[in-house]
Amino acid sequence: DQQVKQNSPSLSVQEGRISILNCDYTNSMFDYFLWYKKYPAEGPTFLISISSIKDKNEDGRFTVFLNKSAKHLSLHIVPSQPGDSAVYFCAAPPYSGAGSYQLTFGKGTKLSVIP
Amino acid sequence: DTGVSQNPRHKITKRGQNVTFRCDPISEHNRLYWYRQTLGQGPEFLTYFQNEAQLEKSRLLSDRFSAERPKGSFSTLEIQRTEQGDSAMYLCASSPRGGSNQPQHFGDGTRLSIL
Repeated sequence: DQQVKQNSPSLSVQEGRISILNCDYTNSMFDYFLWYKKYPAEGPTFLISISSIKDKNEDGRFTVFLNKSAKHLSLHIVPSQPGDSAVYFCAAPPYSGAGSYQLTFGKGTKLSVIP
Repeated sequence: DTGVSQNPRHKITKRGQNVTFRCDPISEHNRLYWYRQTLGQGPEFLTYFQNEAQLEKSRLLSDRFSAERPKGSFSTLEIQRTEQGDSAMYLCASSPRGGSNQPQHFGDGTRLSIL
């Protein structure tokens, strides 16, 4: 039972254009979401997060949108740069009252930004 | 901030041997996590420590796996009688005190290959 789903294994985007990475979740109890970026031979690096009390969070070129009714979130990168080429993971911890801290990850989307 | 450090970076061993990995978390972080990542998958939670106490264990953590954090600082993950299916990247992460929305910071992992 995959509670966090990233249905696009890969995405190619031209440099300077917008990259949109999508993530769906099935557990309506999730109330916080994180995006991580992973380069080959490195560990995941925290990128941006969003609480379920918001529908948008922005940090520089990165914006995450949350649609709770659709159980869907997306990460927008504008403008895309070649250095953004990496695997992006969507993740969620259990709801804040669960007393648990394990993250549930999607399978990741490999973004390739073409110069 | 020196980041999460994991050693060794790579480990190759024969099936049936025991292996031990080490993780040094970010110094002020009291929470430490172990995850396992296989090809094409996102990281999967194995276990979690708060200080020296092991508070959560995944069903993925079979009897052959044991993790310790004896002084609440570094942690070790031992796999006994390794099997082919244990081949994976083993990731360690740490986070500071706070709720489940504190981002976890990952090390670069130990890649285990079973011959």
